[in-house]
Amino acid sequence: DADVTQTPRNRITKTGKRIMLECSQTKGHDRMYWYRQDPGLGLRLIYYSFDVKDINKGEISDGYSVSRQAQAKFSLSLESAIPNQTALYFCATSDLGLAGGADTQYFGPGTRLTVL
Amino acid sequence: AQTVTQSQPEMSVQEAETVTLSCTYDTSESDYYLFWYKQPPSRQMILVIRQEAYKQQNATENRFSVNFQKAAKSFSLKISDSQLGDAAMYFCAYRSAPYGGSQGNLIFGKGTKLSVKP
Repeated sequence: DADVTQTPRNRITKTGKRIMLECSQTKGHDRMYWYRQDPGLGLRLIYYSFDVKDINKGEISDGYSVSRQAQAKFSLSLESAIPNQTALYFCATSDLGLAGGADTQYFGPGTRLTVL
Repeated sequence: AQTVTQSQPEMSVQEAETVTLSCTYDTSESDYYLFWYKQPPSRQMILVIRQEAYKQQNATENRFSVNFQKAAKSFSLKISDSQLGDAAMYFCAYRSAPYGGSQGNLIFGKGTKLSVKP
């Protein structure tokens, strides 16, 4: 089984709808992240969480909210979807690494979201 | 704020040949980490290699190696003996250390699309 899973893998929705993307991990990592990928722009950080009670905004958090239900689960919500939120969304996890060093982020398979 | 620049939107290499992908970054920090991720058509983000800035020795992972030039703020990826399975988007990424202003988040370049010709 994959260490980081995302559901759904693909989703088409309409403008104004509320939608939730879910991420689960079995790696036992404390840190979880949500990124958005647009063509030609690379990945940009939406939200991140260092533990269940620690949630922080990233570079592009407007229009999004998150919930860290447990160490292993981190959900991303679009309260009222709009077409420019059409993108590929990635969840990632990491731990502290040795002595707080280069914790590597491991990515889920991505969710392709289309907002019509 | 830190930035990562990949100046080559697309690259092409013949199978079994060597190719180098460029990455430059801008930072005022002295300690940080650099990564190369691969994204094949399956869209999965796969870690290829990472480099700690405090290490002078260039990282290597099998056919993948980096040329890390700290003073020049350059971090290129060399792929030797290219294989068809190497065809993918490659992203360079930066992270502060230990947990500086960006709280350890990755900052990505825009990517380089690598094609491998048989």
